[in-house]
Amino acid sequence: GAVVSQHPSWVICKSGTSVKIECRSLDFQATTMFWYRQFPKQSLMLMATSNEGSKATYEQGVEKDKFLINHASLTLSTLTVTSAHPEDSSFYICSARPTETGNQPQHFGDGTRLSIL
Amino acid sequence: GQNIDQPTEMTATEGAIVQINCTYQTSGFNGLFWYQQHAGEAPTFLSYNVLDGLEEKGRFSSFLSRSKGYSYLLLKELQMKDSASYLCAVVDSNYQLIWGAGTKLIIKP
Repeated sequence: GAVVSQHPSWVICKSGTSVKIECRSLDFQATTMFWYRQFPKQSLMLMATSNEGSKATYEQGVEKDKFLINHASLTLSTLTVTSAHPEDSSFYICSARPTETGNQPQHFGDGTRLSIL
Repeated sequence: GQNIDQPTEMTATEGAIVQINCTYQTSGFNGLFWYQQHAGEAPTFLSYNVLDGLEEKGRFSSFLSRSKGYSYLLLKELQMKDSASYLCAVVDSNYQLIWGAGTKLIIKP
């Protein structure tokens, strides 16, 4: 089945560090990928929709200058958390759906647990 | 606005059957997904319904009534490993995925 690879799985770093998370669709092309954040015991929150070859669409309240998204190819999107602070500590999950139709299921990466000290 | 409602938490006994309901009000409808999410892990796809009726897949079944804006996920022969959150998500007219907050299912021996 469709597989999405997300890397790294865990990041622990000092406050002020920038962290890059990669999301790859391994066996399908994805024009659109999604970045979510999930705090403990809370539901998924969509941060932004990543569009191949164009600017990402950010949800209200998400700072685009802090969470940089690049979708340079049909199989790779990256999220960079710039100058991360402890309040950015969270579980970040990407997902992708095959390009062909909009009602294909989203396939999720395994997530990245980010801890900022 | 768009809204997905599902119970926050449910408890059931190992070996029993449980039904998790989901009601929705969205701008358009292009299908409904159910996902399972274990604590600390990413969601995994369970089912997709776009036509009215019941879709059965092993121990899990999903039902949809578009006229009522209603779906349920039915889990049979519950196992301890079924303890997880179950997320209902609707595809709206713009093919955007609208997520429910999830139902935490607790299975007791």
